[in-house]
Amino acid sequence: EIVLTQSPGTLSLSPGERATLSCRAGQNVSSNYLAWYQQKPGQAPRLLIYGASSRFTGIPDRFSGSGSGTDFTLTISRLEPEDFAVYYCQQYSSGSSFGQGTKVEIK
Amino acid sequence: QVQLVQSGPEVKKPGSSVKVSCKASGGTFNIYAITWLRQAPGQGLEWMGGIIPVFGTADYAQKFQGRVTITADESTSTAYMELRSLRSEDTAVYYCARGYSHNLWGQGTLVTVSS
Repeated sequence: EIVLTQSPGTLSLSPGERATLSCRAGQNVSSNYLAWYQQKPGQAPRLLIYGASSRFTGIPDRFSGSGSGTDFTLTISRLEPEDFAVYYCQQYSSGSSFGQGTKVEIK
Repeated sequence: QVQLVQSGPEVKKPGSSVKVSCKASGGTFNIYAITWLRQAPGQGLEWMGGIIPVFGTADYAQKFQGRVTITADESTSTAYMELRSLRSEDTAVYYCARGYSHNLWGQGTLVTVSS
């Protein structure tokens, strides 16, 4: 199983600020099969990014993904009030596994 | 509009089994992978396994091998996840989702394991 480690655990920011979330894999994620999800309390996760950098349908362009191999990043260029949530990365190149999540909270 | 609709909440005794269903409506069912995941209270997401209905063969996370069975019925566009030998640590919301990167999710099914 590929272990994914997300950092930081919690990110305290204000609306309008830039958020940078990291996801590091214990081994290479082939074909950049890396996705990012947003989850709000009481809701199912929502797909934001797949293939490391492709935005899913309907996802605002303030969300962007980058990286390859073992290091990946989700960037939210300017935080909107509705962006405060928990974010998970997932690899699907070898079975599937998730990071432990990063909570983006209002400062 | 394609939807995945899961069965309702369950309360089970330790040692028993639970079977959760996931019905797809409004779109093609059998060519997409259906994945099962779970989320314990206050915890992260955990992949359990998945199936591509047209092929019928399921793939399981090592942690759940021998205790979980995932099946799919193409005639009713429904996938199932059965978890056996339940213990309190299996209390969680169980989700079905479509694809390897999960672009569509069911609403989740709370399974509570308690004596």
